[in-house]
Amino acid sequence: DAKTTQPPSMDCAEGRAANLPCNHSTISGNEYVYWYRQIHSQGPQYIIHGLKNNETNEMASLIITEDRKSSTLILPHATLRDTAVYYCIVRVAGGNQGGKLIFGQGTELSVKP
Amino acid sequence: GAVVSQHPSRVICKSGTSVKIECRSLDFQATTMFWYRQFPKQSLMLMATSNEGSKATYEQGVEKDKFLINHASLTLSTLTVTSAHPEDSSFYICSASGLSNEQFFGPGTRLTVL
Repeated sequence: DAKTTQPPSMDCAEGRAANLPCNHSTISGNEYVYWYRQIHSQGPQYIIHGLKNNETNEMASLIITEDRKSSTLILPHATLRDTAVYYCIVRVAGGNQGGKLIFGQGTELSVKP
Repeated sequence: GAVVSQHPSRVICKSGTSVKIECRSLDFQATTMFWYRQFPKQSLMLMATSNEGSKATYEQGVEKDKFLINHASLTLSTLTVTSAHPEDSSFYICSASGLSNEQFFGPGTRLTVL
């Protein structure tokens, strides 16, 4: 079973920041938080991942709470092309855990003009 | 990022036939490949994990004799749906992982069984 909880859907106005929350209260010390998104009828696209520090790249920012039980993905200036299902996944990086990604239901983000 | 391709992108077949789907890592060597299935309006479900040169490890409830996986090289894995039936109609997605252990996904294959 997925180890994360996300709201099923969210709306965001074009040009505004989209803040997508994720709860992962049972996360282990060696598990990272990963975010992927899936645009309709395409394969998932990697967005960002982090362990405990906040992370930023050209696509998004990831804010992880100090207790690591929740995180927020921030798309700073959402565009219509950001409309997709966003998946928050906890996963052990490296080692012999197989690297499996277990997808939950995700958040369907609709960016509206 | 790394590129993973799938072929075909769409396939329609008659019930009872077998269908082979290819997954290729185009610019890196994939020591591990994963196969997922996704039904409409649902999330991705992991079917199996395959390591190059080894037998695939199937998730609980996935029939290994129905979904044959071969990972004969570091750039190619195949999924064969044997004796396909309408309930096997789905979106099949592969991902590949190399030395970085990060997963890169293919664009998916839409299978429709008539």
